[in-house]
Amino acid sequence: QSVLTQPPSASGTPGQRVTISCSGSSSNIGSNYVYWYQQLPGTAPKLLIYRNNQRPSGVPDRFSGSKSGTSASLAISGLRSEDEADYYCAAWDDSLSGGVFGGGTKLTVL
Amino acid sequence: QVQLVQSGSELKKPGASVKVSCKASGYTFTSYAMNWVRQAPGQGLEWMGWINTNTGNPTYAQGFTGRFVFSLDTSVSTAYLQISSLKAEDTAVYYCARGPLVVVAATFDPWGQGTLVTVSS
Repeated sequence: QSVLTQPPSASGTPGQRVTISCSGSSSNIGSNYVYWYQQLPGTAPKLLIYRNNQRPSGVPDRFSGSKSGTSASLAISGLRSEDEADYYCAAWDDSLSGGVFGGGTKLTVL
Repeated sequence: QVQLVQSGSELKKPGASVKVSCKASGYTFTSYAMNWVRQAPGQGLEWMGWINTNTGNPTYAQGFTGRFVFSLDTSVSTAYLQISSLKAEDTAVYYCARGPLVVVAATFDPWGQGTLVTVSS
């Protein structure tokens, strides 16, 4: 069971906007930055969002992140077939003194 | 460009040991920490811990103490993960991922391509 809670699946049609939630606690999301990772099928994860809402260079602005209290969200607008992947949230946990991940959300583009 | 290249897949018998390597290039190895992340078949990501590339001091997450050892060879910019007394449940893809050295954060970028370790008799 993961420290951060994500829905196991999400879906949308091309062009739609989809959001993926990530719920934590005061020791992780509530007091530290949230990161999002995209894992395309058969590949290593890639950093998608850092420090709650920042995009690394090369990440389209269709991807955005937000955080409020002990929860965070990843939004993907203008959904495309190539966005079909697993998405993971992550944060540092002060109580565990380590990194923690959500269980991952499998995004399906219908 | 910044890159982490891991060693190839391994097939081991229960009770054996395995050592996975992660060679860094494109940046100063000792300016960043190295993290290790496990992904069991069909499962999510699990942070195993990290190693301070300046001091060599490792930190292990709960559940990864005892049989798991992080080490370095800074002369060749390489980090290692050794797992001893392998069990079937150690079957997974193991990733190395660069992280910050000074500030603790879940910033893992970039990642190695992953090393599949299969434990089977």
